[in-house]
Amino acid sequence: GESVGLHLPTLSVQEGDNSIINCAYSNSASDYFIWYKQESGKGPQFIIDIRSNMDKRQGQRVTVLLNKTVKHLSLQIAATQPGDSAVYFCAENSQAGTALIFGKGTTLSVSS
Amino acid sequence: NAGVTQTPKFRVLKTGQSMTLLCAQDMNHEYMYWYRQDPGMGLRLIHYSVGEGTTAKGEVPDGYNVSRLKKQNFLLGLESAAPSQTSVYFCASSYSRKNQPQHFGDGTRLSIL
Repeated sequence: GESVGLHLPTLSVQEGDNSIINCAYSNSASDYFIWYKQESGKGPQFIIDIRSNMDKRQGQRVTVLLNKTVKHLSLQIAATQPGDSAVYFCAENSQAGTALIFGKGTTLSVSS
Repeated sequence: NAGVTQTPKFRVLKTGQSMTLLCAQDMNHEYMYWYRQDPGMGLRLIHYSVGEGTTAKGEVPDGYNVSRLKKQNFLLGLESAAPSQTSVYFCASSYSRKNQPQHFGDGTRLSIL
C-alpha cells in the first residue's frame, strides 16, 4: 500500500547546528513530495517541495534531497534556530493524485 | 492576506449533536480538502472537492458530509457526533490536484463528550 513515514519521531539539536529530518516512502510511483512544518496550535505550513525529476532543491536555509533508488527523502535545515522547533511532516502525491499522503511527523526541538 | 480561514476554532459537542465546520479560502483555488489529525495518526483525508458543486470521499469519510456550493467555501458537517470524531480538523486548498502544495488553515479543535 501507499505510505509515507519518518525514521525518527523526535530530534533534539542545539541552536546553530544543522538538522536533518528523514522520511521513507514506499510508493515508487509517487512523483511529488512536500515538507510541512507544524507549530503548536497551528496548521501545517508549506516549507519546500520537490518533483521526482529532481534530486535536490534548495530554499532559504532548507534543502530537500530525494533519493529515488532507496525511496528516501530528507529535509536539511541549516543553522537551526529555536523558531524552527515544530513537528515536520513529509507528504507525497498519491498514485491517483487525489490528495497528499502524510507521514506521522518528526518533532524537532531546538535548545539554545 | 487571509489564505485559508476555519471557523469555529474550538467547539465542544455532546454525543448525537450536529454541527457544521466552515472553511473559506481567498486564493481562488479549485481544490479543497478536509483532514482530521489525531495523535500518532498524522493527517487523514475525509472528503475533498475538485471544484464548485463537486465533492468526493477520502480515506475516512464515514460520519461526515460536505458541500461546496461556492468556490471559496467548503463545509464539513457532522450529522450525529460521536466521541470517535473528537479530533483536530484541518481544511486545505490547492490550485490544482497534482504537484501543487496544499495550503492549510489553523484548524478546528472539536471535542465530543
